[in-house]
Amino acid sequence: GQQVMQIPQYQHVQEGEDFTTYCNSSTTLSNIQWYKQRPGGHPVFLIQLVKSGEVKKQKRLTFQFGEAKKNSSLHITATQTTDVGTYFCAGNFNKFYFGSGTKLNVKP
Amino acid sequence: DAGVTQSPTHLIKTRGQQVTLRCSPISGHKSVSWYQQVLGQGPQFIFQYYEKEERGRGNFPDRFSARQFPNYSSELNVNALLLGDSALYLCASSSGRGNTGELFFGEGSRLTVL
Repeated sequence: GQQVMQIPQYQHVQEGEDFTTYCNSSTTLSNIQWYKQRPGGHPVFLIQLVKSGEVKKQKRLTFQFGEAKKNSSLHITATQTTDVGTYFCAGNFNKFYFGSGTKLNVKP
Repeated sequence: DAGVTQSPTHLIKTRGQQVTLRCSPISGHKSVSWYQQVLGQGPQFIFQYYEKEERGRGNFPDRFSARQFPNYSSELNVNALLLGDSALYLCASSSGRGNTGELFFGEGSRLTVL
């Protein structure tokens, strides 16, 4: 079946450090979305990437879509405690399939 | 405007029982998708409905079924519950067919099977 692999599974950082999570697919994606899920909450949409090589920024968050549209990354600069949560990528294989997520813990 | 609403929020069932979960999408959204999220994992796609027709089914057994009503609300039914069905069931609505555009998730229904 369709699979989206995401690494790392966990990341513990000191507040102010950077954080990156990576998403990989064995097949070309139509587009990819990123979601954030706070502990006890539901996934909340962050962004959608559509074009090959696309880069989008939201304040301290930078999202990239690979040239082959098979991989993507989310980078957070200077993490804050409010960034705590699990970040999921969701690859579009005609339906959205979620990666296993990267759980980010930020120590103040 | 109200977001995606799901009911019940929590429920406990025993093995072999049946459960029905309900979802009301955001007003104007015609696409509803169901996801199962086991603790520590990402949401797993179960079904997508658009305009009352099934548009996609994930790798789940026939014990799982769903339907969408004329008002675009949806129900997910699970028969012959197993312990492994314990999970958070998430409903998501979107304005399009669901292949593009943002998914808006409800708070979920947490099912515990004993």
